[in-house]
This record gives sequence, structure tokens and C-alpha cells, in this order.
Amino acid sequence: KNQVEQSPQSLIILEGKNCTLQCNYTVSPFSNLRWYKQDTGRGPVSLTIMTFSENTKSNGRYTATLDADTKQSSLHITASQLSDSASYICVVSAERGTALIFGKGTTLSVSS
Amino acid sequence: GAVVSQHPSRVICKSGTSVKIECRSLDFQATTMFWYRQFPKQSLMLMATSNEGSKATYEQGVEKDKFLINHASLTLSTLTVTSAHPEDSSFYICSAHGTEQFFGPGTRLTVL
Repeated sequence: KNQVEQSPQSLIILEGKNCTLQCNYTVSPFSNLRWYKQDTGRGPVSLTIMTFSENTKSNGRYTATLDADTKQSSLHITASQLSDSASYICVVSAERGTALIFGKGTTLSVSS
Repeated sequence: GAVVSQHPSRVICKSGTSVKIECRSLDFQATTMFWYRQFPKQSLMLMATSNEGSKATYEQGVEKDKFLINHASLTLSTLTVTSAHPEDSSFYICSAHGTEQFFGPGTRLTVL
């Protein structure tokens, strides 16, 4: 069964600190893995998208890694800001980029 | 990046009425659009896949007669919630597939 699991479910950190979110998947055949940021009451916004051959990709303070052998990905946020408070969703594409399997997300709260 | 809009962003209606939600891809053509529903603190759940010029494909458990989907053009898909009930209250998000999937900002539906 195609599944995407994320951990932790929620996380609270102080402003300026770094954090890492985890994503494990059992999706086959694998096409690509995406990390989205979803603010409360808004649609998801793409942070990174990685294919099988990519190990790491950065987008500003966000860095995603992918280990296709162990089927794990992480999203590292550097020097967190209050505006980083949101839900971060790991999404794996099963075939040709259209069928998406969503993780339940990690809710990040950044406090001052 | 590509822009997907939804209208309205928020709607409140009485039980038994119908509500139409529009999803538009503003700067690209999308042969395929997707409709999702998201309950509080839950991940996005795919409701149906909308293909331009053909009938939508509904996920298991989604009533096609209750959630009418029309994809009349390459830039517009509509979701009509017919005879809405309070349990239909949710956050509805569309996405459009261009070079990748881009999500709309969502529509908050509240049925009284």
C-alpha cells in the first residue's frame, strides 16, 4: 500500500533555531517527492520537488534531502522565523507526476 | 510560479442549498485538475480528478451526484456541492496540473 508517514506530528521551536522534519514513504513506482508549506486556511505552496536522482535541494532557508534507497526524506529549516509557523506536508508522486500521496503533515510552531 | 485561483474563498450557506466553487489556472492551461477536501488537522484527501472535456473520476466513497464537477475549459473547473449538509463543511482545495501540480488557495465552506 502506498503510504507517506511524517514525523514529528507537531513541533515547537524558538525563533532563530533550526529544525528537521522527517518523511518516510512506501510508494512504488516512485516519481518524485515534494515538500509543501501550508499556512492555516490557505492552500499548499511548493517548497521543493526532487526526483529519484536528486539527493538534496535548497530553497532559501529550506533544504530537503532524499534517500531513495531507504525511502526517506527530510526538510531542514535554518534560522527559523515566526512566519515559518505552518503545516509542512510531504507528498510523493506515484506515477508520472499526477497521482499524489500525501503525508499528514508536521505542524511547526515558531515562538519568540 | 504558476497561479491557481479559487472563488469564493469563503462561503456560508444554509442546509439544503447548493454551492459552486470555481478553480482557475491563471497563466497556464491545465488538462487535469484535482479537487481535495481537508478537515481540521487532517491532510488533503483527493475527491476527484477532473479532465477537460470528459467526466470526472471520483475517489472511492465520494458521491458523484452530490459533488458535481465540470471542467469546461483548459483553465476552469467547477465543483458544485449539491444539497449541502453541515457535514459537508470543510476546506476545499483544487489543484491544476501544468508542469507540476499547483494548488489553489482553498475555499472554506460552512453549512449551517
